[in-house]
Amino acid sequence: EAEVAQSPRYKITEKSQAVAFWCDPISGHATLYWYRQILGQGPELLVQFQDESVVDDSQLPKDRFSAERLKGVDSTLKIQPAELGDSAMYLCASSLGRGQRELFFGEGSRLTVL
Amino acid sequence: DAKTTQPNSMESNEEEPVHLPCNHSTISGTDYIHWYRQLPSQGPEYVIHGLTSNVNNRMASLAIAEDRKSSTLILHRATLRDAAVYYCILRGQTGANNLFFGTGTRLTVIP
Repeated sequence: EAEVAQSPRYKITEKSQAVAFWCDPISGHATLYWYRQILGQGPELLVQFQDESVVDDSQLPKDRFSAERLKGVDSTLKIQPAELGDSAMYLCASSLGRGQRELFFGEGSRLTVL
Repeated sequence: DAKTTQPNSMESNEEEPVHLPCNHSTISGTDYIHWYRQLPSQGPEYVIHGLTSNVNNRMASLAIAEDRKSSTLILHRATLRDAAVYYCILRGQTGANNLFFGTGTRLTVIP
């Protein structure tokens, strides 16, 4: 069964360092999402792509976070510089399209900022 | 986006049915009701969704109140593997129509 691949699975970094997460969605899925999940809370949407275009990045802290999906396939989420409050699970999801189509989530990348 | 209200936690005995409630009194006429669940140390997974009529699939059933202000996710026979956080989410039909998760209901299944 096709899955959303994410790496790294775990990342420990010091504050002020740069961090990057990678996501490979299910083949053929045009819509890609990045969510952040702080321990004990539900996932919070950071950015949504439709193919290579950003559809919604209203909740992305653009002073330090950036996301790209250059060829409309895989995607990278970057944080620079990392802050202590960025410690969280970063989840990538994909879907065939928008509308009511289900989202398929990866296992996530757990970030710890020291 | 319209909000949902769910109990923080619920318990169920293994092999018994579970009814997970969700209130969404400000739902609009075009919002769909989606349910996702998140098993420990995993990303969320889709469970079911509906608009007005009750829905069934291999995982669960979704019962939607006639006025659509509430809904209930029904697991017909709870197993230990069903222990998870269950999220009830309203999803619009226009614009980005993203999924906005709340804090969900943590279901504990007792052997």
